[in-house]
Amino acid sequence: RKEVEQDPGPFNVPEGATVAFNCTYSNSASQSFFWYRQDCRKEPKLLMSVYSSGNEDGRFTAQLNRASQYISLLIRDSKLSDSATYLCVVWVGGYQKVTFGTGTKLQVIP
Amino acid sequence: SQTIHQWPATLVQPVGSPLSLECTVEGTSNPNLYWYRQAAGRGLQLLFYSVGIGQISSEVPQNLSASRPQDRQFILSSKKLLLSDSGFYLCAWSVGTSGAYNEQFFGPGTRLTVL
Repeated sequence: RKEVEQDPGPFNVPEGATVAFNCTYSNSASQSFFWYRQDCRKEPKLLMSVYSSGNEDGRFTAQLNRASQYISLLIRDSKLSDSATYLCVVWVGGYQKVTFGTGTKLQVIP
Repeated sequence: SQTIHQWPATLVQPVGSPLSLECTVEGTSNPNLYWYRQAAGRGLQLLFYSVGIGQISSEVPQNLSASRPQDRQFILSSKKLLLSDSGFYLCAWSVGTSGAYNEQFFGPGTRLTVL
């Protein structure tokens, strides 16, 4: 089983739609979780951290389910500019080594 | 503010040729430095990380090597490239502390094609 698994998509959604991605992780000792965004042929950038209690940043909501070992990202009122690949990232502790998922591609359609 | 530079941006090399990719960070001291590779349709694979000058940890056995000759300089090398070395190479840095995850900031990357 991969350490971090994501549905590669693509998710094609109309503008204004709500879309959700899940990411599963295999190591129950994982401590921290993040979502990164990667635009086509660009470097990844941190979108948001994922806290146990769930957290929201504008139209973006991240959730963590430790019992089922997955994290989720919800995007409301999708914009064309949200089109990108969303990478799930998991940190198991120690030095700054993290595991990146392969990413979920989102395409927001006019 | 901190910035991270990588060069070259694009590289096409024949199989068996050497490789040298350079990464430099400005505006911070004693950062952790990382080299990742992203192959087409695959996730980011950590190749090397460094917590200080001359300190290199290798994550994946391969024909690549890394060096950190200066605090804010990280170099990825190969003596003989393989076709499977093609990919998008990303350098990243983070604040150099342990105990908690510190955001990694990525450079613009080098797109390497081995023919």
